[in-house]
Amino acid sequence: AAGVIQSPRHLIKEKRETATLKCYPIPRHDTVYWYQQGPGQDPQFLISFYEKMQSDKGSIPDRFSAQQFSDYHSELNMSSLELGDSALYFCASSTGQGAYGYTFGSGTRLTVV
Amino acid sequence: AQSVTQLDSQVPVFEEAPVELRCNYSSSVSVYLFWYVQYPNQGLQLLLKYLSGSTLVKGINGFEAEFNKSQTSFHLRKPSVHISDTAEYFCAVSDTGSNYKLTFGKGTLLTVNP
Repeated sequence: AAGVIQSPRHLIKEKRETATLKCYPIPRHDTVYWYQQGPGQDPQFLISFYEKMQSDKGSIPDRFSAQQFSDYHSELNMSSLELGDSALYFCASSTGQGAYGYTFGSGTRLTVV
Repeated sequence: AQSVTQLDSQVPVFEEAPVELRCNYSSSVSVYLFWYVQYPNQGLQLLLKYLSGSTLVKGINGFEAEFNKSQTSFHLRKPSVHISDTAEYFCAVSDTGSNYKLTFGKGTLLTVNP
């Protein structure tokens, strides 16, 4: 069965650089979520999209932005990277706005040096 | 606002022993409850979920959990663990008031020793 695809799997950037993370949801899933998991931490909700519109926003820095495109894939753009942005970034997708749970991708590990 | 408390940060057990990972939640509305497992350097895999109906939920890999509304708990159990069950386990809650976004507990590291 198709899963949630995230790219790249690993990314190394320098401070103040920009990074773009991509997420391809399971076919026919209309909702995408982004989570950030710092080292040894639980995942924290960043932002979600339903039918290409932002549906909810969590503790996402102003330096980050995201969108969901017409083919339902989503991109998380991160600018002016800081060392503290080093984390595992998960994308998840669902139908029904997440009422029945989500399927998570394998994550993108971002390291800022 | 919803919150999740996983009462044990680490649980060491011997192989073939039973295990219970504890999870308590707080929410002002009806909730949906989940357990996810994360193996080292891996993503989050859904073990099981409670949406409605029977309070005893069976999941993958022989795990089960029981929803107890009066005690606001959703403890995860397995009667006999294997070395391969060593992983981080996250309890999570979502509800209609939060647009179904998941709030996770801090995680419990289950270590199965031979």
